[in-house]
Amino acid sequence: TQLLEQSPQFLSIQEGENLTVYCNSSSVFSSLQWYRQEPGEGPVLLVTVVTGGEVKKLKRLTFQFGDARKDSSLHITAAQTGDTGLYLCAGGVLTGANNLFFGTGTRLTVIP
Amino acid sequence: EPEVTQTPSHQVTQMGQEVILRCVPISNHLYFYWYRQILGQKVEFLVSFYNNEISEKSEIFDDQFSVERPDGSNFTLKIRSTKLEDSAMYFCASRLGGNTEAFFGQGTRLTVV
Repeated sequence: TQLLEQSPQFLSIQEGENLTVYCNSSSVFSSLQWYRQEPGEGPVLLVTVVTGGEVKKLKRLTFQFGDARKDSSLHITAAQTGDTGLYLCAGGVLTGANNLFFGTGTRLTVIP
Repeated sequence: EPEVTQTPSHQVTQMGQEVILRCVPISNHLYFYWYRQILGQKVEFLVSFYNNEISEKSEIFDDQFSVERPDGSNFTLKIRSTKLEDSAMYFCASRLGGNTEAFFGQGTRLTVV
């Protein structure tokens, strides 16, 4: 089982601030996906990155895949209260059934 | 929009009882997964299923667990003799393959008492 560590585990910031969440592993992944999970619901995909060094932007969210495809970051600009939630990274492995292995999660709270 | 559906949304069972959690993956998807999430903890991989057989399973997926795709549309997770520590949210997911998006169901909250 590949291990993905996310940091920080908990993050509480004021509305309008910027933040970065990190996802690190010693394993190489074929893809890295970021999900957001609301309480009592399943994870919902935000983005998939597949190329080392790739950067993707989704409105105020910027995702980067590390050059060695072992790590990733999620940067949120001018956080809003609607960004509050659990953010999960998940590494994809292109063997067998292409399993996804989830990170430890970052619980973000944006305070108005 | 196609979605993964799971039933029931909440199941309460007595310790030692068998439970079957049901999932209907997206119809043209080829890979199926079960994950669990104990309250406040990370999402943990249980098992993956492809081409009508288990592709990989984690150390959590012991002899008490089994999966089945009985009719080409349903994908079930059976726990033969539930333990208190099996209490968790169980998520089913499916994907078309490769690096494509995994779609998750809303989950089944299993409570073992």
